[in-house]
This record gives sequence, C-alpha cells and structure tokens, in this order.
Amino acid sequence: DAGVTQSPTHLIKTRGQQVTLRCSPKSGHDTVSWYQQALGQGPQFIFQYYEEEERQRGNFPDRFSGHQFPNYSSELNVNALWLGDSALYLCASSFLGEQFFGPGTRLTVL
Amino acid sequence: GDSVTQMEGPVTLSEEAFLTINCTYTATGYPSLFWYVQYPGEGLQLLLKATKADDKGSNKGFEATYRKETTSFHLEKGSVQVSDSAVYFCALGVFGNEKLTFGTGTRLTIIP
Repeated sequence: DAGVTQSPTHLIKTRGQQVTLRCSPKSGHDTVSWYQQALGQGPQFIFQYYEEEERQRGNFPDRFSGHQFPNYSSELNVNALWLGDSALYLCASSFLGEQFFGPGTRLTVL
Repeated sequence: GDSVTQMEGPVTLSEEAFLTINCTYTATGYPSLFWYVQYPGEGLQLLLKATKADDKGSNKGFEATYRKETTSFHLEKGSVQVSDSAVYFCALGVFGNEKLTFGTGTRLTIIP
C-alpha cells in the first residue's frame, strides 16, 4: 500500500511566479491537509480539504489556494511567490483521525 | 488559541544516555497529543500519541504521558541510540478539528 505521495520533490521558482504542488493521499483516506514548514520551524497548517471543499484554513493569505479532486488527490497553488514562501510543503492525509504525512516538496524561491 | 511549547534544542547526548524532551501545551477543548519524528530529508512520522489524560503513548522505546494537571507531554527514552538522531516535534489536535498544531521541534544528535 503506497503511502502519501507528493510531487515534485524539489522546485525552484523566482519571485512573482506561481507554483502548483501535488499530493496523492494514502489509500482509503478522504481528507487532505497542507502544511508549510520553514527551515528550523515546526509545520504550520495551511488548509484542509474534505469532499472537494476547503474545510479549515490557517493564517495564510489568499495567495495560497487549493483543490481536491474526486479521487481525493489535492493540489496546493501559491501565486505571486516571494522569498518567504521558501519552505518544505507537507501534505497529510487522514480518514477519521490520524494524519499520515508525505515526504514533502522543497520549494525554493529566488 | 492552541499552542505547543517545546524544549529548545539542539540536544546532544551520548549513546545509551537517558533522554527527556519537554513539551507543554495550551488548548481549548480536549486535545489529543502527539510526538512526530523527522529524519534527515524525510517527512514526518508519527512516533506515539495519547488521546486523553493519564494515557501513556509508547513506541520504539519512547514514552510520553498525557498530564492534564501540568498540561505536559514530555518525551522520554531510557537508552538512546545513534539511529534516534532526528528532529522531534510535539503536536496537538482537537477532536473534530483535525488541524495539528506543532511545536518548533527539537534536534537530537546521539554520538557513539
């Protein structure tokens, strides 16, 4: 059984660009959450998707948006990138409880 | 709002030493408490959890007890190994609100 997968593994963008990160949840999981982990910090909750709708949102600007597809996979989109968006972006999937994390996408904004 | 305060690192210990990493929390409601571990270049792995007061979570020789009276969930291990070197995160989640709130992490290095 494949766990949570994320793509790409690494990504380099320049300021002002847009980026899309992808996540496939663990089999049987219907809820996907996204977290941002800046260097040396703990993960910060961005938002959570369930039944293709955003169910909760953390303290992130509208530049951060997402989507969940009927197969429960999800995308995280970030517009107008700035240097402070450089971080490891983690996806976690769950079904009625424990969250399982993917390996993350390392985004570098130059 | 919910918050987790975690022992500052980095922590360096010799192999077979006793480990304690402190964690305290503030939460509305009745949180579940977690310890996650992050090995270099990898995502987070759940190490152990406790869902109510006085519960003890344990895994791979690590233990933590949910202390409601002191709002704490300290991580302990009696004899650490070099393979335990990683970053450890304390986290809380409130039932019905699956968002996790994390501490800042404690980097642990074990030297032979």
